[in-house]
Amino acid sequence: DSGVTQTPKHLITATGQRVTLRCSPRSGDLSVYWYQQSLDQGLQFLIQYYNGEERAKGNILERFSAQQFPDLHSELNLSSLELGDSALYFCASSVVAEGANVLTFGAGSRLTVL
Amino acid sequence: GQQVMQIPQYQHVQEGEDFTTYCNSSTTLSNIQWYKQRPGGHPVFLIQLVKSGEVKKQKRLTFQFGEAKKNSSLHITATQTTDVGTYFCGRFRGNKLVFGAGTILRVKS
Repeated sequence: DSGVTQTPKHLITATGQRVTLRCSPRSGDLSVYWYQQSLDQGLQFLIQYYNGEERAKGNILERFSAQQFPDLHSELNLSSLELGDSALYFCASSVVAEGANVLTFGAGSRLTVL
Repeated sequence: GQQVMQIPQYQHVQEGEDFTTYCNSSTTLSNIQWYKQRPGGHPVFLIQLVKSGEVKKQKRLTFQFGEAKKNSSLHITATQTTDVGTYFCGRFRGNKLVFGAGTILRVKS
């Protein structure tokens, strides 16, 4: 157990639907990162929050949005889902250890869009 | 651009053989991180390199950062079946950690 909790672990839904993925960072970690991992595309950075504020944005689609709440948990909202959105979505939280900003990943949420 | 290029994409080795994956950038890197993702698992941090020419070892794993800080390598000596997985290098650009495409390692026993 990495200490980063993601729910749900698996989710199957239909095209056009909307889903919310949830992430609880490790205790004390203020940063949360979201990544998408498709079969062909490795780990794609989506967005990063620090203590409730958006700090960095990657190639996140307009249909996707995220936020980090005062208790530091984060949610990734995916709407108007398409078949191509099927992927593993990872959340990571970070802490600076020995000068390195180390990301600790959760187990991921596997989204299947049918 | 912001990406780091990682080669090879895939390598299948006999148990006991060595393995190396390379990470290359067209621009100077302030640091490079390496992560390992086991099949069905999540990425796990291995190491960060910061200094030009830096070499760090973790048991059978040797990590190097190039003198020009534009490339890095991960070398595994005498691979074991427990080494299977995908190895990613990543670089920070501001607050973004951007990963290479990864090298998939398979080990035949």
